[in-house]
Amino acid sequence: KQEVTQIPAALSVPEGENLVLNCSFTDSAIYNLQWFRQDPGKGLTSLLLIQSSQREQTSGRLNASLDKSSGRSTLYIAASQPGDSATYLCAVMLLLILTGRGNKLTFGTGTQLKVEL
Amino acid sequence: EAGVAQSPRYKIIEKRQSVAFWCNPISGHATLYWYQQILGQGPKLLIQFQNNGVVDDSQLPKDRFSAERLKGVDSTLKIQPAKLEDSAVYLCASSLAGSTLYQPYFGPGTRLTVT
Repeated sequence: KQEVTQIPAALSVPEGENLVLNCSFTDSAIYNLQWFRQDPGKGLTSLLLIQSSQREQTSGRLNASLDKSSGRSTLYIAASQPGDSATYLCAVMLLLILTGRGNKLTFGTGTQLKVEL
Repeated sequence: EAGVAQSPRYKIIEKRQSVAFWCNPISGHATLYWYQQILGQGPKLLIQFQNNGVVDDSQLPKDRFSAERLKGVDSTLKIQPAKLEDSAVYLCASSLAGSTLYQPYFGPGTRLTVT
């Protein structure tokens, strides 16, 4: 059974600081890994998707890396801003095509980020 | 492109009552998911549909939860009777079958409070 762990559970940083969020997973046979952002009372917004064959993806101030062999991913946020305050979730996808069960997305418990002025 | 629509956005009921949630996925998305997110936890998959067939419902409490997907488009999730521990946000997502990304798109969720 795939288990996804995120550390830290909560993080508070001053504006402008660079930060790293961590995600680890137990089954390395993943198809892809996604980082999502969730604002209070809102749904999930996809930030970055990394295919299992890729090492990293970048979008603006965000950079996500993937090390499948060690079961780890990191989300790097450069020059953090108060608007980055949200919960960040990582999710890994397994393909269950051989069993005819499509795909399975397993989420971590999230890191709650607060960027203070 | 319109996103995944869900209604209602909020619902408060008493325990032992029934409740139903509705989801309209992105047009053309064959795969539809219902997730339950309890406060402070990550979303947990309840049920996954491929068109109108169930692919995975292994974590759906079938004694009280039911779901259907009419004509492979809209979906409803029902809880009958509700328990206090069902208080959560229920998220619906859809994805394009056949896409190599298998990327799900999420709706805003329905926040259920059971008192």
